[in-house]
Amino acid sequence: QQPVQSPQAVILREGEDAVINCSSSKALYSVHWYRQKHGEAPVFLMILLKGGEQKGHDKISASFNEKKQQSSLYLTASQLSYSGTYFCGTEWTDSWGKLQFGAGTQVVVTP
Amino acid sequence: DAGVIQSPRHEVTEMGQEVTLRCKPISGHDYLFWYRQTMMRGLELLIYFNNNVPIDDSGMPEDRFSAKMPNASFSTLKIQPSEPRDSAVYFCASSSYTGGQPQHFGDGTRLSIL
Repeated sequence: QQPVQSPQAVILREGEDAVINCSSSKALYSVHWYRQKHGEAPVFLMILLKGGEQKGHDKISASFNEKKQQSSLYLTASQLSYSGTYFCGTEWTDSWGKLQFGAGTQVVVTP
Repeated sequence: DAGVIQSPRHEVTEMGQEVTLRCKPISGHDYLFWYRQTMMRGLELLIYFNNNVPIDDSGMPEDRFSAKMPNASFSTLKIQPSEPRDSAVYFCASSSYTGGQPQHFGDGTRLSIL
C-alpha cells in the first residue's frame, strides 16, 4: 500500500521544469513531500491537506487532487540545489500521524 | 531550536551482537517514529509512538527488534541478535500532535553488521 511515485528518475538542465507524481490507493488526509540528498536525512518541503489549496516553496510547488487521491510536485526553473531524491509520504484518513513513503524520484539537475 | 538527535551516527559490529540506537525527539513533539532505509526496500516505518505509547509496530521485521520510549525525551531501538541483513540507515523522526504535521528527521544511524 506504498504510494506510487513517477517518474523513478529525471535529469534536467538548470532552468528546466519537472513534475513528480504520487498516487495512493487509499483515501488521503494529507500528502507530505521531502527531499533527501545523498548521505543526509530527508528534509521536509511541504504538506498538502485534504481540502487545502496548492502550496509553494520558492519555485517548488505542489497540488493535491482529492478525486484521484494524487499529488504532484512541480519543480520550476530548476536550480542545481534541487538535485536529490524526492519522496512523497501519504497520510491516510484512518491513520493520522502515520506516513507511508513512496520509493522516491531521483532528480539530477545539470549545469 | 535543537532538532531530532540520534546516536551513534555510525555503528559497525559483528553478527550476533546487540545493537542499541538512541533518539531524542524535538521537545514538545508527541509522536516519535523509527524508520529504516535501504536501497532495496526504501524508507520503511518500523514503529511509532504517541505520548510514549507504541501505537503501531507492524513494521518491526521480527522479534529480534524492539523499541522503547521510557519518557518524552528518549527512545531506543534495539536489535538482538543482529544479522548482516539488518545493515541499513535507521532514522528517527518526531512530529507534534494531530495529523497533517511535518515529521522532522534526525541525521540517522548508519548501521553495518559484519
